[in-house]
Amino acid sequence: DAGVIQSPRHEVTEMGQEVTLRCKPISGHDYLFWYRQTMMRGLELLIYFNNNVPIDDSGMPEDRFSAKMPNASFSTLKIQPSEPRDSAVYFCASSLMLAAGELFFGEGSRLTVL
Amino acid sequence: QKEVEQNSGPLSVPEGAIASLNCTYSDRGSQSFFWYRQYSGKSPELIMFIYSNGDKEDGRFTAQLNKASQYVSLLIRDSQPSDSATYLCAVKGGRKLVFGQGTRLTINP
Repeated sequence: DAGVIQSPRHEVTEMGQEVTLRCKPISGHDYLFWYRQTMMRGLELLIYFNNNVPIDDSGMPEDRFSAKMPNASFSTLKIQPSEPRDSAVYFCASSLMLAAGELFFGEGSRLTVL
Repeated sequence: QKEVEQNSGPLSVPEGAIASLNCTYSDRGSQSFFWYRQYSGKSPELIMFIYSNGDKEDGRFTAQLNKASQYVSLLIRDSQPSDSATYLCAVKGGRKLVFGQGTRLTINP
């Protein structure tokens, strides 16, 4: 399997622009997670899906952030409008079983908002 | 209080020595505990998990859990330069996996 695939790997944008990050989970994994990693706050869970349904979005910082999972093989995380404090590495991860705790992470999308 | 706390380091250990990484957690109902390794510029990868009190060994790695003290540790024996990375402790209580800030470990040849 190719693993979790994220795009773009790097994104540099200006404040106020819309940013869309994309993720393809491992085939057969029912859980998909979006995490954000910064030096200050570490790895934070933003939202997770089970069978394409959002289960917990309490980590989404504010209304500027939205996530969708239209089918089992694709998810997006959108930031509109973006702000400099959104600069971070955004990881998508998938898992076969929530109870197992083993997450398979993508390579991450490094976002820089100027 | 943070849910999962780790000493951010950096922790510097000579090659061949034992590296000891520690983690405490606040939710007494937590059931599962994990150690992820993250190389610089890469994504985290699972290296150990432990569910029961005591020690669990896997090669050069030993995870230790003490639920009464709400304490998890990871020991790396015969440390190698390739072990230099950030080690993230993760704790699962209800449905969420919560990560600590990570400890940066450097193994000096």
